[in-house]
Amino acid sequence: ELKVEQNPLFLSMQEGKNYTIYCNYSTTSDRLYWYRQDPGKSLESLFVLLSNGAVKQEGRLMASLDTKARLSTLHITAAVHDLSATYFCAVDILRAQKLVFGQGTRLTINP
Amino acid sequence: DADVTQTPRNRITKTGKRIMLECSQTKGHDRMYWYRQDPGLGLQLIYYSFDVKDINKGEISDGYSVSRQAQAKFSLSLESAIPNQTALYFCATSEGDSANTGELFFGEGSRLTVL
Repeated sequence: ELKVEQNPLFLSMQEGKNYTIYCNYSTTSDRLYWYRQDPGKSLESLFVLLSNGAVKQEGRLMASLDTKARLSTLHITAAVHDLSATYFCAVDILRAQKLVFGQGTRLTINP
Repeated sequence: DADVTQTPRNRITKTGKRIMLECSQTKGHDRMYWYRQDPGLGLQLIYYSFDVKDINKGEISDGYSVSRQAQAKFSLSLESAIPNQTALYFCATSEGDSANTGELFFGEGSRLTVL
């Protein structure tokens, strides 16, 4: 059974600081996804990582995938308040196109 | 207009009632999914369908049923709702061809409360 674990689950940080959210998964996969969710809203796709070593960046967010370590990271650079949200990673086992989600990381960025 | 539309957006019902949540999409995607979100648990897959004649159970299908009425429509039913089915439900779609990245596109969610 695939397990996807994020840490931390809660993160409070100050504007301007850098931080990293980690996503570990238990079974071989080369497809990993990051989503953002604002309170009471839908999930918005941030990054699609489809191979070992994949790195993608959008603004202050950068995601990477290490399939050998079964680890993805979401790095936040010089955080701003607008990045406050819950971030989910999700893994696709064997390209079955059934995503298994982590618990989510609730990020709060304080002025 | 949203590409993936869910109705109703909010519903309060009583234990034992039958409830249907509907999802329609204009993205032209073959694959459709129903997920449930509970606080602190991420999203759990209830059912999924890769085409009109294909229905598959997910991790937590007990107490739920689905119907794929057309490529664009996928409904979730609770035959006899119970309080622990109170949750936020999401419909999602993805492309069906071999080049598909597997990325899911979500509807805006249906919040269900069972009293």
